[in-house]
Amino acid sequence: ETGVTQTPRHLVMGMTNKKSLKCEQHLGHNAMYWYKQSAKKPLELMFVYNFKEQTENNSVPSRFSPECPNSSHLFLHLHTLQPEDSALYLCASSQAGPSGANVLTFGAGSRLTVL
Amino acid sequence: TQLLEQSPQFLSIQEGENLTVYCNSSSVFSSLQWYRQEPGEGPVLLVTVVTGGEVKKLKRLTFQFGDARKDSSLHITAAQPGDTGLYLCAGVDRTGANNLFFGTGTRLTVIP
Repeated sequence: ETGVTQTPRHLVMGMTNKKSLKCEQHLGHNAMYWYKQSAKKPLELMFVYNFKEQTENNSVPSRFSPECPNSSHLFLHLHTLQPEDSALYLCASSQAGPSGANVLTFGAGSRLTVL
Repeated sequence: TQLLEQSPQFLSIQEGENLTVYCNSSSVFSSLQWYRQEPGEGPVLLVTVVTGGEVKKLKRLTFQFGDARKDSSLHITAAQPGDTGLYLCAGVDRTGANNLFFGTGTRLTVIP
């Protein structure tokens, strides 16, 4: 496996279910991200982890819970979601550093549908 | 959140035509990136521009960063069906976080 791998690629869940999205990067990067991509909206940054520490939480509802057990793995735990949470959830990684020009490598995304 | 507006939002052209996509903001960015996203995939980086006024060429694609580093354009010459996709600009903020703020996107369809 190379690059950034996301599973599952598609997920359908009810509003009372609990599920998790998984992301794994094989690039040796030190930062990982969750983005939400909805129709007709810009990509929304949800969470950022640098060296396994969460450095950004963009006012995301608590029904989304991220977990970063190590620098290669990132999870997004989902609980009691709403239909408006249906979207493509993209994971990305980068080699973050002080020089800026943060370049992201994205996974293919997990398409989530909440019924 | 720093807003980047892209125009046009949708573009459908014939193979061989030229096109320009614009990315505008009222914010200044330390650098700006362009990504292309194909159906069923995540965005893939095309180019990073760093210096105001910088022009970069990638085969038939020409990227320009505005002098004030608030805007950018992407020009495609002789578009091919393989250029079809969602084009996203993303500005790197000037705070220490270096987070990316994505534009609204331009969905390009090149008809054979």
